Amino acid sequence: DAGVTQSPTHLIKTRGQQVTLRCSPISGHKSVSWYQQVLGQGPQFIFQYYEKEERGRGNFPDRFSARQFPNYSSELNVNALLLGDSALYLCASSLDGDRNNSPLHFGNGTRLTVT
Amino acid sequence: AQSVTQLDSQVPVFEEAPVELRCNYSSSVSVYLFWYVQYPNQGLQLLLKYLSGSTLVESINGFEAEFNKSQTSFHLRKPSVHISDTAEYFCAVTTSGGYQKVTFGIGTKLQVIP
Repeated sequence: DAGVTQSPTHLIKTRGQQVTLRCSPISGHKSVSWYQQVLGQGPQFIFQYYEKEERGRGNFPDRFSARQFPNYSSELNVNALLLGDSALYLCASSLDGDRNNSPLHFGNGTRLTVT
Repeated sequence: AQSVTQLDSQVPVFEEAPVELRCNYSSSVSVYLFWYVQYPNQGLQLLLKYLSGSTLVESINGFEAEFNKSQTSFHLRKPSVHISDTAEYFCAVTTSGGYQKVTFGIGTKLQVIP
């Protein structure tokens, strides 16, 4: 079975631009979460979506938004990019988004560089 | 709110030597604890987890961690490391309530020296 897939793998954008990152969860997984990992830090929680509804949001500005589609894939959008948005963006899926002990399965991430 | 402290940012160790990576957590409610491993240019992979029951949990590649509620710790250990264990290790915590938000530590880079 395929794992969590993310696209693109790398992306270079200019300050002020907008970016869309995509994620396909493991087949059968209905929960998708997004994390930002800045160089030298642990991943920081951005969003959780479960059954196409936003279940939680981390401490990120409104420039960050996401959605989940009927097939449980997800997109993360970031508007008005800042240099500080440069990071590895990780998508994770889990089998049951209602159970916090359901482990996360991560994709390899999208490396976003803002110049 | 929960938090995780990983006390060592880098741990160099010789091949076949034992290693311990330290992790302490803070939470006012019951927790679930995880260790994830990240190899260069890859996402995170689950190494082991403590959900309930036995406080000593093991992974398939020889790592183990012990949940210590009184010391709020979940240290990761391996009796004999291999070159292939070189990676970054993240301790993580989530709680039993609310939504599925996992809080990660800053990571410990394990460097195995031949």
